[in-house]
Amino acid sequence: KAGVTQTPRYLIKTRGQQVTLSCSPISGHRSVSWYQQTPGQGLQFLFEYFSETQRNKGNFPGRFSGRQFSNSRSEMNVSTLELGDSALYLCASSQLQGSEQYFGPGTRLTVT
Amino acid sequence: GDSVTQMEGPVTLSEEAFLTINCTYTATGYPSLFWYVQYPGEGLQLLLKATKADDKGSNKGFEATYRKETTSFHLEKGSVQVSDSAVYFCALSDSIRNTGFQKLVFGTGTRLLVSP
Repeated sequence: KAGVTQTPRYLIKTRGQQVTLSCSPISGHRSVSWYQQTPGQGLQFLFEYFSETQRNKGNFPGRFSGRQFSNSRSEMNVSTLELGDSALYLCASSQLQGSEQYFGPGTRLTVT
Repeated sequence: GDSVTQMEGPVTLSEEAFLTINCTYTATGYPSLFWYVQYPGEGLQLLLKATKADDKGSNKGFEATYRKETTSFHLEKGSVQVSDSAVYFCALSDSIRNTGFQKLVFGTGTRLLVSP
């Protein structure tokens, strides 16, 4: 069974731009979570989607948003990029909301 | 809120040495505990987990025991290899009220460097 895939793997953007990252969960998994990893703040929970609805949200500004499609694929969007948004963004999927989470390889975003 | 504290790195060992990475947690409920490993340029891989007190998780020679009395989940391996060089994250699952979702709360990570 294929694992969690994330595209693109690397991205360079300029301050003020917006970006969309994509995550394809493991087949049959319905819950998708997003985490941000930075050297300063470590790994922090962004949000979780289940059945096309955002069910849980971490402590991030409204510039961070996402959505989930009927096939459980998820996208996250960051608008008006800031230098501090440079990070590795990790997506995790699980079969159900309380199930074990499996992580993708991440998208490394660099904001210049 | 819930939190995880793990030892600062890097931990530098010679091949075949014994490894311990300390992890303690603070939680109001009864979380599950995890160790994840991250190799350079990659995402997180679940190494092992324990879901209740006194459970021992094990995988690939790594072990950790859920100690409720000391709120600890220390990672151990009897004989490390060069290929074990990576960053290790201790984590707990924080159940969010009124949803089935369990948010993962991570420690800061401990880098392990194993030399031949």
